Amino acid sequence: DTAVSQTPKYLVTQMGNDKSIKCEQNLGHDTMYWYKQDSKKFLKIMFSYNNKELIINETVPNRFSPKSPDKAHLNLHINSLELGDSAVYFCASSRIDGGTQYFGPGTRLLVL
Amino acid sequence: SQQGEEDPQALSIQEGENATMNCSYKTSINNLQWYRQNSGRGLVHLILIRSNEREKHSGRLRVTLDTSKKSSSLLITASRAADTASYFCATEHQGAQKLVFGQGTRLTINP
Repeated sequence: DTAVSQTPKYLVTQMGNDKSIKCEQNLGHDTMYWYKQDSKKFLKIMFSYNNKELIINETVPNRFSPKSPDKAHLNLHINSLELGDSAVYFCASSRIDGGTQYFGPGTRLLVL
Repeated sequence: SQQGEEDPQALSIQEGENATMNCSYKTSINNLQWYRQNSGRGLVHLILIRSNEREKHSGRLRVTLDTSKKSSSLLITASRAADTASYFCATEHQGAQKLVFGQGTRLTINP
């Protein structure tokens, strides 16, 4: 049973396109996150949602729009993709009081 | 910046040896966590140590925390080839509802 799942696993697209990445967790957690990992493996938080409400928005360009239809899902929509958006995007979840985070397998985005 | 720093950036040892990785941070924390990332995979939580704890063990893992020096170390004893991965420390800082990750240590265990 996959705890945190993401789709798609790989995404190759052209500059200027719009794309979405989906995330689902079956752990019953209240908090979900999106991280970006660059080519140097540096992992940086982008957003966090607590029970469908935005908690953290780390100065991410407004081309990135997270959406949480329910507390088990947190999707990431990216408009007008740029070359610099190429990275691995990880979804994670945790209980409301923080602590251990459970990560999805990642979505490898390549913008050409 | 609250970002932690890990040392060394890369470590290569022989199977059976012990591996030690260090992490330093800048501001007061609630807890510090260590994660492992195998190549092409997501991060897996290894151990969490709270600010009032000094040492924790989990199997072959030993984590220490020195809040006066704002540093932590992860020791893997009797290393195995399967321990080859990147190891990240992450800190949860007081007043912040997020984890801040270090840049990671790439550990290679040679058979």
